[in-house]
Amino acid sequence: EPEVTQTPSHQVTQMGQEVILRCVPISNHLYFYWYRQILGQKVEFLVSFYNNEISEKSEIFDDQFSVERPDGSNFTLKIRSTKLEDSAMYFCASKASAASTDTQYFGPGTRLTVL
Amino acid sequence: AQTVTQSQPEMSVQEAETVTLSCTYDTSENNYYLFWYKQPPSRQMILVIRQEAYKQQNATENRFSVNFQKAAKSFSLKISDSQLGDTAMYFCAFMKPQYNNNDMRFGAGTRLTVKP
Repeated sequence: EPEVTQTPSHQVTQMGQEVILRCVPISNHLYFYWYRQILGQKVEFLVSFYNNEISEKSEIFDDQFSVERPDGSNFTLKIRSTKLEDSAMYFCASKASAASTDTQYFGPGTRLTVL
Repeated sequence: AQTVTQSQPEMSVQEAETVTLSCTYDTSENNYYLFWYKQPPSRQMILVIRQEAYKQQNATENRFSVNFQKAAKSFSLKISDSQLGDTAMYFCAFMKPQYNNNDMRFGAGTRLTVKP
């Protein structure tokens, strides 16, 4: 069964550094999402992406964050200047269509640790 | 804004027994979707079961069933005949259908341990 994949599984970075988290959605999917989960807290929506533009973003998704689909397969989340509070698990998800009946498929996550 | 609350951070159950995980949510919407996702240790979240708010009948998927109480805004998950492989983090989630965007709002999760 096709899966969403994410790399790396764990990223450690210094505060102030830029990080890029990578996701490969399921190949025929058109809608892409990033979520994050701070340790011990709930999974939070960050951003949704369709047709090469952001559909919606949460208040968490400030100017330090950006998303890109640089080619036909990857979907990336960039954090320009990481802060300690960016330490979290970041999940990518994809969905085939706009239909609400479609399921969002999640990747295994990237654990980001900011020191 | 929609919020999802899972009041049980951890639960345990003996193998072959039944366990119910609680979830409540808050919304002013009339049409929406509810989900239970399972996240095994070191694995991605997978969909367990979903419920459309306009359907009165509770969703079932093999050993998994829900008790959807729309008026009470409650959406509990019942796992029957629990198996060791059911050990995982379980997340309740809410989605409001929107064109071109279906972001999900999650609860904090319930860590379920099935004991042999």
